Amino acid sequence: DAGVIQSPRHEVTEMGQEVTLRCKPISGHDYLFWYRQTMMRGLELLIYFNNNVPIDDSGMPEDRFSAKMPNASFSTLKIQPSEPRDSAVYFCASSRGRPVALHFGNGTRLTVT
Amino acid sequence: AQTVTQSQPEMSVQEAETVTLSCTYDTSENNYYLFWYKQPPSRQMILVIRQEAYKQQNATENRFSVNFQKAAKSFSLKISDSQLGDTAMYFCAFKGTNAGKSTFGDGTTLTVKP
Repeated sequence: DAGVIQSPRHEVTEMGQEVTLRCKPISGHDYLFWYRQTMMRGLELLIYFNNNVPIDDSGMPEDRFSAKMPNASFSTLKIQPSEPRDSAVYFCASSRGRPVALHFGNGTRLTVT
Repeated sequence: AQTVTQSQPEMSVQEAETVTLSCTYDTSENNYYLFWYKQPPSRQMILVIRQEAYKQQNATENRFSVNFQKAAKSFSLKISDSQLGDTAMYFCAFKGTNAGKSTFGDGTTLTVKP
């Protein structure tokens, strides 16, 4: 199993640009999560999906953030327009069923200048 | 809402010694799951150990074990025979039985010294 695959691993962009982060969950997993990690706020859940349907997006900071899961094997997190305060490491994680551990991707380090 | 507290932002231990990382949580649920995740400098989060609240026996995975005190809502991680590769940030996490999402603590940075 290849694990959760995220791309890109690093992203540097200028303020105002659109950023798209990508995630491929582990095959057969029905839950997908997007987390953001910063020094100040720690690990924050942004949104999660169950069977491709968004269940809880209360962690999405504002309308500039959007996430989609068009099928069971792909999800995107988009920031438009990006701002310097969006700089963070963004993790995608997946799981099979509810009461089980998360499998994390390697994360995308986003830097907005 | 559940909360998870890790009161030790940083810890260090000598190689081959034992260290215990603390975690407390708050919940009104009776059945739930607790986890410890490790985040080494490579950045990827990895599951270390998992505990079901309905099990009284403490979980063990090789050199890693937990001390689960349900009444006290405490879930500490003990690392025996510490190795340099154990240097990482460790996160405690809570998941309710019916919840899709996990709640994470702020993490403890552990440094293993040679």
